[in-house]
Amino acid sequence: GQQLNQSPQSMFIQEGEDVSMNCTSSSIFNTWLWYKQDPGEGPVLLIALYKAGELTSNGRLTAQFGITRKDSFLNISASIPSDVGIYFCAGSRAGTASKLTFGTGTRLQVTL
Amino acid sequence: EAQVTQNPRYLITVTGKKLTVTCSQNMNHEYMSWYRQDPGLGLRQIYYSMNVEVTDKGDVPEGYKVSRKEKRNFPLILESPSPNQTSLYFCASTGTGTYEQYFGPGTRLTVT
Repeated sequence: GQQLNQSPQSMFIQEGEDVSMNCTSSSIFNTWLWYKQDPGEGPVLLIALYKAGELTSNGRLTAQFGITRKDSFLNISASIPSDVGIYFCAGSRAGTASKLTFGTGTRLQVTL
Repeated sequence: EAQVTQNPRYLITVTGKKLTVTCSQNMNHEYMSWYRQDPGLGLRQIYYSMNVEVTDKGDVPEGYKVSRKEKRNFPLILESPSPNQTSLYFCASTGTGTYEQYFGPGTRLTVT
């Protein structure tokens, strides 16, 4: 099955810095979702995007649905230690609410 | 509290010994899915269900079975586990009209 390409694979940043990560696909998706997974836990939904070009925020997180519908971006502003974890993008096509294709993940580590 | 629960959380077993991992959700969601997560491969869908008695294969269904006799439960069955099924397994559910999947806490399975 297809997987979405996420970059970077991992990143070390200093507390207070802004973070950007992206997710690309060779095919179109109608919905993009961003999840965060803490060690030993299941993924937790952060942001859902439903329209091409849409920009949505959730606190310090901002995500965008790419205009081509083949990509999405997640930004975290003023990172804090609890932002540590793995961030996954996921895409869904119309009529397949139960079927998500996940990205390979971006591991974020924050240094003080 | 709205949640997806899985049991057991940890399981060590031997090759060929049938096992079942249970999944239950209390949100009255129609859609439920099973994923496995392996290092470097992200989350891959095993099976999904669109409603009671309606199931379909995901991207990696070989060696697994599922059933959906009740809306709230979606057990994953390994009839004859093999070492390559050692993985971290997640159950997820999605409500009608949304693409947002909510994940359980995970089951770490080791097959020796």
